[in-house]
Amino acid sequence: GAVVSQHPSRVICKSGTSVKIECRSLDFQATTMFWYRQFPKQSLMLMATSNEGSKATYEQGVEKDKFLINHASLTLSTLTVTSAHPEDSSFYICSAGTGDYEQYFGPGTRLTVT
Amino acid sequence: AQSVTQLDSQVPVFEEAPVELRCNYSSSVSVYLFWYVQYPNQGLQLLLKYLSGSTLVESINGFEAEFNKSQTSFHLRKPSVHISDTAEYFCAVRPDTGRRALTFGSGTRLQVQP
Repeated sequence: GAVVSQHPSRVICKSGTSVKIECRSLDFQATTMFWYRQFPKQSLMLMATSNEGSKATYEQGVEKDKFLINHASLTLSTLTVTSAHPEDSSFYICSAGTGDYEQYFGPGTRLTVT
Repeated sequence: AQSVTQLDSQVPVFEEAPVELRCNYSSSVSVYLFWYVQYPNQGLQLLLKYLSGSTLVESINGFEAEFNKSQTSFHLRKPSVHISDTAEYFCAVRPDTGRRALTFGSGTRLQVQP
């Protein structure tokens, strides 16, 4: 089956620093990648949708200058949390889409900002 | 816009007992419906989906879900659960045309006890 990886699985960073999270589709080409954020005991909330080679589309309320998304190839998308603050601590999950309705999810990245 | 409600945050059940995980949705347009499962420390895996046709859909591991348009529900059922079914289950929807991003429910923790 289609496999999506995320790196790192866990990261701890200091307030004010930036951290990059990678999302890779290992055995297929993903035309679209999605970034979600999951708070404890809550839903996955869509942050942005990215298509290879074009700018990401951000959901309302998500700061595009704070959460930088780059989708440089059909197998790699990155999310950079800039000037991180403790309230950015969360579980970030990416998914990659191939066809019209199938999405494959990565294992998630636990970000802790101290 | 769509919304998904999973009223039960946790469902404890004994092994070999039947279980139903409830999912209700709201949408002004026609939708596709999904159930995803998340095992500890793993990514989300697609369990089953409803796109069109028969309103009863089944997974390979004994789960089934029935789309009820009049009640806007997509409840997940299994007649006899196993310890290995212990996981977090998410119901999700997306419009059947256009935007492909998923809207998730808050999840239901299925805890199967011996």
